[in-house]
Amino acid sequence: QQPVQSPQAVILREGEDAVINCSSSKALYSVHWYRQKHGEAPVFLMILLKGGEQKGHEKISASFNEKKQQSSLYLTASQLSYSGTYFCGTERSASNTGKLIFGQGTTLQVKP
Amino acid sequence: DGGITQSPKYLFRKEGQNVTLSCEQNLNHDAMYWYRQDPGQGLRLIYYSQIVNDFQKGDIAEGYSVSREKKESFPLTVTSAQKNPTAFYLCASSIKGIGAGEQYFGPGTRLTVT
Repeated sequence: QQPVQSPQAVILREGEDAVINCSSSKALYSVHWYRQKHGEAPVFLMILLKGGEQKGHEKISASFNEKKQQSSLYLTASQLSYSGTYFCGTERSASNTGKLIFGQGTTLQVKP
Repeated sequence: DGGITQSPKYLFRKEGQNVTLSCEQNLNHDAMYWYRQDPGQGLRLIYYSQIVNDFQKGDIAEGYSVSREKKESFPLTVTSAQKNPTAFYLCASSIKGIGAGEQYFGPGTRLTVT
């Protein structure tokens, strides 16, 4: 039931754009996105709830298509600081457990 | 400053020994979580707790134990029954509510068992 992220790895030049996808075989209530720098703790980016909303965070935005059970993270005009591993975490129902199932991660490397 | 602290950052143990990893938060969060991360893999949930004196098993609880005697503290014990304990362990907390909220992570403890 682990969500599948694609691609597994991306290499960009500064200023280029990237899209990271997170797909589930089960219906989802919410999708969370985190970024982790090497050897550090994951840092929260955003939460998307079912309803197909799109959110933005600086030049990073995301969408959630509940019919396709898929979320996409969009990184525009990438900066060196965007390098890291991006994880999606999924929640299947609006329970109060706070339990997330994380994907395997997508490693993004931005080069000068 | 509010946050989550984990100690120690690096921990080395001999096979067959139990070891306890510390996790403390001063964010006044009700919910706390323990994750295990192996190289090139995502975060796998070991245990989680929504309230003091109550906790539930996650996806990979075998060989681990926890306690939640205080709201601020959620220590994890890696027992000798855990077959492959070497990993990066992350503790997190969040506000309890309907649906999963933003999780705040500690800096992690890298455990090496030889």
